[in-house]
Amino acid sequence: GEDVEQSLFLSVREGDSSVINCTYTDSSSTYLYWYKQEPGAGLQLLTYIFSNMDMKQDQRLTVLLNKKDKHLSLRIADTQTGDSAIYFCAEKADSWGKFQFGAGTQVVVTP
Amino acid sequence: GAVVSQHPSWVICKSGTSVKIECRSLDFQATTMFWYRQFPKQSLMLMATSNEGSKATYEQGVEKDKFLINHASLTLSTLTVTSAHPEDSSFYICSATRTSASYEQYFGPGTRLTVT
Repeated sequence: GEDVEQSLFLSVREGDSSVINCTYTDSSSTYLYWYKQEPGAGLQLLTYIFSNMDMKQDQRLTVLLNKKDKHLSLRIADTQTGDSAIYFCAEKADSWGKFQFGAGTQVVVTP
Repeated sequence: GAVVSQHPSWVICKSGTSVKIECRSLDFQATTMFWYRQFPKQSLMLMATSNEGSKATYEQGVEKDKFLINHASLTLSTLTVTSAHPEDSSFYICSATRTSASYEQYFGPGTRLTVT
């Protein structure tokens, strides 16, 4: 079956860059996503990337995709305390496919 | 645009009773809605997919008679947990897409269910 794996925890100092990594197994993944979940809240779409792209940048967020290694990363520049949350990686094989979520990475930003 | 709401945000019910959770797309018409369940510190588990006007498709292992899903309109889907038990306590999240084939999925804020 399809699997999406993430490291469970990341601690980063305020102002530093954070890098959250994700690996997936489904080579037919067409859409790859990063979602943010704050305590007691739903999921907020941060960004997504199509499989025919290698990189996408959106303000402080940079997504890198290595299709050969099936590796996706999210870099948050100048990490702020408000960035403390759980970050979920997700993939979708096609428009009709279901989302496959990773277990989430807890990011803690320390002053 | 693309806001999804859920009501209630938090509900406590007694064992054996039923509770209904609503999911609404506020500024778009949602052909397809999804219901997820999330356990503490875990990922989202897809429970079912519902398309407006048709029966929901349940994932393997999800009891359709226990988790009743109705998608009566293009802006509203409901999840009813029947004869709730403490093990049904969880965080339930819905999401919606504009069309059946869409790469953009919008999530609601979630409903915390506690069964005592």
